[in-house]
Amino acid sequence: EAQVTQNPRYLITVTGKKLTVTCSQNMNHEYMSWYRQDPGLGLRQIYYSMNVEVTDKGDVPEGYKVSRKEKRNFPLILESPSPNQTSLYFCASSFHRLASTYEQYFGPGTRLTVT
Amino acid sequence: AQKVTQAQTEISVVEKEDVTLDCVYETRDTTYYLFWYKQPPSGELVFLIRRNSFDEQNEISGRYSWNFQKSTSSFNFTITASQVVDSAVYFCALSEASNYQLIWGAGTKLIIKP
Repeated sequence: EAQVTQNPRYLITVTGKKLTVTCSQNMNHEYMSWYRQDPGLGLRQIYYSMNVEVTDKGDVPEGYKVSRKEKRNFPLILESPSPNQTSLYFCASSFHRLASTYEQYFGPGTRLTVT
Repeated sequence: AQKVTQAQTEISVVEKEDVTLDCVYETRDTTYYLFWYKQPPSGELVFLIRRNSFDEQNEISGRYSWNFQKSTSSFNFTITASQVVDSAVYFCALSEASNYQLIWGAGTKLIIKP
């Protein structure tokens, strides 16, 4: 089954404790992206990657890191989480590098709470 | 700058009523793409439709239809004979061909009452 998987689905952590949210897709997509969703703000892009070893900042990259060492994986790293990073996070992928013009496939979401 | 406005924060209708979700966009590009996504209570995001700026033909898919009007910069979504399963948050999004960003509206929460 074609899908984007994220882990964990739910995470409660404390300020400053490094964490990683994993994202994996099995569709051989070139493009992957991370979004955060906050009430009343829709989705905002954190980082995206158009291919292996190619990553770029989105609208709200501060406080986040990503890496793309393999085509299928695109982990999101919070080196020192803060309460304002409490949010619902989505990973997405698309078959085309110009993903913004094509359909994106989304993971199930990760609800992160930072206390 | 590109912008997407979904002025309706929440809409509540009774089952079987028709309902229209509004989406107004701003862009300076002549080539752009518009999308609708659905987010049911379970939380996942589901792609519904993609439309490019050169195709103003309205689209119908079962009970769903989309009305694209460049003259008013709108891309509205209508559900005919709504059902409880249509309850979700619906997002409209815009992408300009000149950059790689997809800009999302704030979403409209649709509640269909039985």
